[in-house]
Amino acid sequence: EVQLVESGGGLIQPGGSLRLSCAASGITVSNNYMSWVRQAPGKGLEWVSVIYTGGDIYYVDSVKGRFTISRDHSKNTLYLQMSSLRADDTAVYYCARTIGVPGYYFDYWGQGTLVTVS
Amino acid sequence: DIQVTQSPSTLSASVGDRVTITCRASQSISNWLAWYQQKPGKAPKLLIYKASSLESGVPSRFSGSRSGTEFTLSISSLQPDDFATYYCQQYNNYPWTFGQGTKVEIK
Repeated sequence: EVQLVESGGGLIQPGGSLRLSCAASGITVSNNYMSWVRQAPGKGLEWVSVIYTGGDIYYVDSVKGRFTISRDHSKNTLYLQMSSLRADDTAVYYCARTIGVPGYYFDYWGQGTLVTVS
Repeated sequence: DIQVTQSPSTLSASVGDRVTITCRASQSISNWLAWYQQKPGKAPKLLIYKASSLESGVPSRFSGSRSGTEFTLSISSLQPDDFATYYCQQYNNYPWTFGQGTKVEIK
C-alpha cells in the first residue's frame, strides 16, 4: 500500500523559511516522479513543483527562486524547502506521486500539511 | 499559461441524477486532462486521466469525454458518496493547471 505522509507545516512569519517533508512507503521516491501541490484555504488546487527521476525539476513561476524541491533516497523522503515566504503561500501542501509518460497527473496523495504565513 | 475554465462552480443535484461538469481549455491540450474528486479536509482522489480513462477502482458511473478543447466529467447516477468538489487538471504544458472546481451539493 502506498502511503505519503507530509510534515513540517506550521505558523511562520512573512520572510521566513520552512522545510516540508513527505515520507513515502510502498513506493521509492527516487524511482518516481514526485510533485508538490498546494491549496489555499477555501480555494482550488495549484501545482507547485515536480522532480523527475533523472533529476529534472520544474516550478510554477510564483515560487521560482524561493522554493526548492529535493529528495533523499536513503530516507525515501521528498522535501520542499520554502524561503522568503509570503502571505499568499498560506496553504495546505500536498505531496503527490506523479504519473508520467504519457501525461503528468497525480495518482497518490498525502494528507497534506498546513503552512500559515502570518 | 493554459487556463482551464470549469463550470458550473456549484451544482445542486439529487441522488440518482445524471450530472455533467465541463472544463474548457484556453488552447489545445490533446487528451491531457485529468479529473479529481475532493471531500472536505481530504486529499484529492484521481478519477479519470487522459480525458476518458477510468482510474482503477473508480466506479463505472464516472466517465470522461472530450470534444476539441472542451472536456466533460459525467456521473451517470449520483450516489450519496459523490457529493464533493471536482477538479480538472491539464498536463499538456507547464505549469500544470487546475480548474476552479465544481461543488456538487445535495438538492
